[in-house]
Amino acid sequence: NAGVTQTPKFQVLKTGQSMTLQCAQDMNHNSMYWYRQDPGMGLRLIYYSASEGTTDKGEVPNGYNVSRLNKREFSLRLESAAPSQTSVYFCASSEALVTSYEQYFGPGTRLTVT
Amino acid sequence: KNEVEQSPQNLTAQEGEFITINCSYSVGISALHWLQQHPGGGIVSLFMLSSGKKKHGRLIATINIQEKHSSLHITASHPRDSAVYICAVRSRGAGSYQLTFGKGTKLSVIP
Repeated sequence: NAGVTQTPKFQVLKTGQSMTLQCAQDMNHNSMYWYRQDPGMGLRLIYYSASEGTTDKGEVPNGYNVSRLNKREFSLRLESAAPSQTSVYFCASSEALVTSYEQYFGPGTRLTVT
Repeated sequence: KNEVEQSPQNLTAQEGEFITINCSYSVGISALHWLQQHPGGGIVSLFMLSSGKKKHGRLIATINIQEKHSSLHITASHPRDSAVYICAVRSRGAGSYQLTFGKGTKLSVIP
């Protein structure tokens, strides 16, 4: 099992450009998440998907959109990138949304917006 | 919103030392997670607990619900334990699906 995979690993964008971060999991998990990690701050939830066909906003959703394409894949889109979106982005998955399941993380995407 | 505080922020230890990392939170929780972030950036879940104590190899995690405090202990530390250790909590209550993360404790174990 590959677990949770993310592409790309690194990306540099100019302000105003758009891009999509891809995430896939092969553990048959129902729930998936997108986080961002900034220096000096804890991980923050951008969006999550409780199950295929549903998505909900997390703590910091502004400037992002998501798509739960199928049970395996959950993508994060930046429509018009801003320097404030420079961050490391992590995708994660869990069996379900409820308390008793741990989350499995992807390797991260390091995004720089100039 | 739950506030999660970790201490210390940075920790340097000699190989073989016993290490303790602390996590405090402000509001009642349904679960607490300890995660390890490797120098390369990958994040691995170490423990998930809601009461008592869990042990895995040289790692021990404890939680005191009344005091809103958890500790992660590493016995006989080794340079490969060098990483950032992150505490995260899930608050109690309907719709509390989000984890609130601490800022992490950076551990360096010197041979």
